[in-house]
Amino acid sequence: GENVEQHPSTLSVQEGDSAVIKCTYSDSASNYFPWYKQELGKRPQLIIDIRSNVGEKKDQRIAVTLNKTAKHFSLHITETQPEDSAVYFCAAISTDSWGKFQFGAGTQVVVTP
Amino acid sequence: DADVTQTPRNRITKTGKRIMLECSQTKGHDRMYWYRQDPGLGLRLIYYSFDVKDINKGEISDGYSVSRQAQAKFSLSLESAIPNQTALYFCATSDSSIRRTHSNQPQHFGDGTRLSIL
Repeated sequence: GENVEQHPSTLSVQEGDSAVIKCTYSDSASNYFPWYKQELGKRPQLIIDIRSNVGEKKDQRIAVTLNKTAKHFSLHITETQPEDSAVYFCAAISTDSWGKFQFGAGTQVVVTP
Repeated sequence: DADVTQTPRNRITKTGKRIMLECSQTKGHDRMYWYRQDPGLGLRLIYYSFDVKDINKGEISDGYSVSRQAQAKFSLSLESAIPNQTALYFCATSDSSIRRTHSNQPQHFGDGTRLSIL
């Protein structure tokens, strides 16, 4: 089955700097890679996703890149702000896994003013 | 707004008690999931259901059972609660209706149930 590793587990950045979180996956059949943001005490919410036929996707200050050969994908947050402080989860899924996501363990991002 | 609603939001109970967590959704999605979240372990899948007649075990189903009463309702039961089942529980839904492209769709989460077992 799929295995997703996420690094780092914690990330502290100065406001205005960039943050990068990386996930690696094991199943070469994985073809959908969502990223979720979970603020303290709240539900995980989808912030961006990418499919295997695309190498990069951007949405304002966040972007996701996918390297299918190396089987890793990364979340990039530019010009970080205090409201970016949260836990971020990556996930991977293949069509063969019938809707079952494999989540990474999460990255606690702290943006300090 | 279409949403995923979990009840109760918080529950404290004693070892050995039977507990039911409920999830309902107005998104019209066919797939529903139950996850458990523990610090440092991310989201782990307990059970999932792709329609009313389809129930499947996830990676940590021992000690849990589920019921899909209708397309919009999916409940999780702990038959005899034990302290290591103390955790944050999330229900999620997704839509498989876009079959033409066989594309996977994101999961949408409820607000969670914080369960403490003493």
